[in-house]
Amino acid sequence: DIVMTQSPDSLAVSLGERATINCKSRQSVLYSSNNKNYLAWYQQKPGQPPKLLIFWASTRASGVPDRFSGSGSGTDFTLTISSLQAEDVAVYYCQQYYSTPYTFGQGTKLEIK
Amino acid sequence: EVQLLESGGGLVQPGGSLSLSCAASGFTFSSYAMSWVRQAPGKGLEWVSAISGSGGSTYYADSVKGRITISRDNSKNTLYLQMNSLRAEDTAVYYCARCPGQWPNDAFDIWGQGTMVTVSS
Repeated sequence: DIVMTQSPDSLAVSLGERATINCKSRQSVLYSSNNKNYLAWYQQKPGQPPKLLIFWASTRASGVPDRFSGSGSGTDFTLTISSLQAEDVAVYYCQQYYSTPYTFGQGTKLEIK
Repeated sequence: EVQLLESGGGLVQPGGSLSLSCAASGFTFSSYAMSWVRQAPGKGLEWVSAISGSGGSTYYADSVKGRITISRDNSKNTLYLQMNSLRAEDTAVYYCARCPGQWPNDAFDIWGQGTMVTVSS
């Protein structure tokens, strides 16, 4: 199984400041034949299902504000929120869909400082 | 509107069975692979099972293999999860999720609201 590890477990950032969440996979999720990283980021607010933010490591899903960006390749990935808004308070998960079982990181809880 | 609506959750005794359904609407159901993802109370997300758009290929997490069966009826736009020999550790909210393609090796772009399964005596 591909183990996904996020850091930090929790994060407090001031409104308008940058938030950065890291995700590391124990093995590469870069598929060499198409040069795509099989890595997604999700946002989950309390009492709601997860929402897809980023897929292929860096492609924003439809309707996702451009303050959210994803980067990285191979085994190391980052989700960045360039200017934190109050509505961004949530738990964020990375997920690999390179191979089954499709594993998630443990989650990072983002709060306002 | 693209929508997924789960049903069938509830309280079941250890060793019991339960069948979950996920009704899809607003898109061509047979063109998309589907997955079930669960979340134990206060915990993170765990992928459970996936099925290709045609239903011809299925995939399972080791934690549920042999106890859970995923299936779909494309004529009814419905995804199913038959769960047998349930254990306390199966207690979770079960979400169905869509993969934007025929095969499940893709991100989950649409999620249902979830249905709660509680395994307890």
